[in-house]
Amino acid sequence: DTAVSQTPKYLVTQMGNDKSIKCEQNLGHDTMYWYKQDSKKFLKIMFSYNNKELIINETVPNRFSPKSPDKAHLNLHINSLELGDSAVYFCASSLRTGGTDTQYFGPGTRLTVL
Amino acid sequence: KNEVEQSPQNLTAQEGEFITINCSYSVGISALHWLQQHPGGGIVSLFMLSSGKKKHGRLIATINIQEKHSSLHITASHPRDSAVYICAVRWGTSGSRLTFGEGTQLTVNP
Repeated sequence: DTAVSQTPKYLVTQMGNDKSIKCEQNLGHDTMYWYKQDSKKFLKIMFSYNNKELIINETVPNRFSPKSPDKAHLNLHINSLELGDSAVYFCASSLRTGGTDTQYFGPGTRLTVL
Repeated sequence: KNEVEQSPQNLTAQEGEFITINCSYSVGISALHWLQQHPGGGIVSLFMLSSGKKKHGRLIATINIQEKHSSLHITASHPRDSAVYICAVRWGTSGSRLTFGEGTQLTVNP
């Protein structure tokens, strides 16, 4: 059984398009995250939700909008895609907020903007 | 300059060797995570520690709070240990926010 799943695994699209990445966790965790991994493999937090409420919003362009319909799901919608958005996006979850619990990562979504 | 520094950036070893990867950070933390990213891209959490030492199989993680330093050791290394190892810290008052090191690419040759 997959603990944290993301769809799609690969996403290739044109500049200017709008796309969404979905994330679901079946671990019963309260906290979910979106991370971006750039071409140099550097991971950076984008957003964190705790029980459907936004608790971390890094300096991410407002073209990125996370949505959490329930605590098991955290989707990422990106408007007006740009070349620089090309990266691997990882969803993760942890039992609680606070950064002291193990985080479980999804398999990643490789986004390529042409 | 990243506030979390890992060394070395790249490490090549022969099967069976003892491996050490280091992580240093700039100010007080409440937790430090070691993650492993497989060649296929998947990320797995190995350890979360705030003091002392943890061991899981051939992996050992230590942290020295006073020196602001952590090490990840792999004993009897094997080619399947080849991966990127990433250190991440939770600063004392940063909530859930983790700051990541740039990773150490480990290659273990048979």
